[in-house]
Amino acid sequence: KAGVTQTPRYLIKTRGQQVTLSCSPISGHRSVSWYQQTPGQGLQFLFEYFSETQRNKGNFPGRFSGRQFSNSRSEMNVSTLELGDSALYLCASSLDAGGSTEAFFGQGTRLTVV
Amino acid sequence: AQTVTQSQPEMSVQEAETVTLSCTYDTSENNYYLFWYKQPPSRQMILVIRQEAYKQQNATENRFSVNFQKAAKSFSLKISDSQLGDTAMYFCAFMGDQTGANNLFFGTGTRLTVIP
Repeated sequence: KAGVTQTPRYLIKTRGQQVTLSCSPISGHRSVSWYQQTPGQGLQFLFEYFSETQRNKGNFPGRFSGRQFSNSRSEMNVSTLELGDSALYLCASSLDAGGSTEAFFGQGTRLTVV
Repeated sequence: AQTVTQSQPEMSVQEAETVTLSCTYDTSENNYYLFWYKQPPSRQMILVIRQEAYKQQNATENRFSVNFQKAAKSFSLKISDSQLGDTAMYFCAFMGDQTGANNLFFGTGTRLTVIP
């Protein structure tokens, strides 16, 4: 079956712009989580959506937002981009909640802010 | 808050040899899950092995096994018969067992190089 698909793979934006990243989970998976990966801060949890509801949120400013559609596809948006937002953004999908179900990751979107 | 610590930024091992990657964590929860993920240069995170805290038996997946010491909050990964394809970043991760807490806390990673 198809894996987790993230688009685009690479993105270059200018400071102050906004960006939208997309994640299509594995068919049937209802939970989608987003993570930011940077050399300095490592992997940090952004938020998790389950059945179109944000169920959990990490410690990021309000410029970071997301949503989930009825088909479980998810988008995350970053407004007023800063240089420090340059990172690899990873999406993970799982069938249901909790660690009893495996989280499958996409290949990520590499965002560069200039 | 949960924290995960990987004290070995880089390690190397000869092909066919055995290597152990260390991980410690801190939590006040009694039930939780621990994971080892592999991130090759392709950047895709791949689950290597999972351990449920309430299970005393150490998890094993082919050449990969863990040494889970709950009291010591230690969770090391042993890779036997190392192969060139094992070269990657390895992340130890923690997930609580509470509803609505479906997020992973990651360590800083260990870069493993398998030498031919």
